Amino acid sequence: DAGITQSPRHKVTETGTPVTLRCHQTENHRYMYWYRQDPGHGLRLIHYSYGVKDTDKGEVSDGYSVSRSKTEDFLLTLESATSSQTSVYFCAIGLALDTGELFFGEGSRLTVL
Amino acid sequence: LAKTTQPISMDSYEGQEVNITCSHNNIATNDYITWYQQFPSQGPRFIIQGYKTKVTNEVASLFIPADRKSSTLSLPRVSLSDTAVYYCLVGDNGDTGRRALTFGSGTRLQVQP
Repeated sequence: DAGITQSPRHKVTETGTPVTLRCHQTENHRYMYWYRQDPGHGLRLIHYSYGVKDTDKGEVSDGYSVSRSKTEDFLLTLESATSSQTSVYFCAIGLALDTGELFFGEGSRLTVL
Repeated sequence: LAKTTQPISMDSYEGQEVNITCSHNNIATNDYITWYQQFPSQGPRFIIQGYKTKVTNEVASLFIPADRKSSTLSLPRVSLSDTAVYYCLVGDNGDTGRRALTFGSGTRLQVQP
């Protein structure tokens, strides 16, 4: 399995608090992604990264920011968490954008009360 | 934006062949078609990938017609352990002209004994 670690795996927080999820890879892949998954919606892309300090928005980026200061780490931040951001968050890594072969982490389950 | 359309759910019995079709009318010239499998509480897992015609590996076959506007994932002789959600994925042009990867809503396959 690809070396992808997400942390924390589970988190419960309150509305209005900041939350940061971390994705760490040991594969030296250029591309990294954050998805969220909710019942009935499949996987939706939040943000993605082409490399260090090079990121772009996905289809559901409102309320989220990301940073990538090192190749191996991609951070997802909720500046002020809301209940609508309760979800399972998946990080993925890939070698190329066009070929679509991604390797996923095990997910981080976030509950915002 | 390249979008995919799949059946929401399918039912089958052990030992049967299952074909899941994905529609992607706006696929771009450089896009590959990739299929993933996801079990509950796990991240998606790569199954197969193709560009055109037919691709086969040890777990599945992928059929892509000449116009590439659809693709069919074929699972031979399914077992109970193939019960999962299957996602079709193609590349997606962002506003900047760079490309990101967007999943469809997936097909929930239920295999009965």
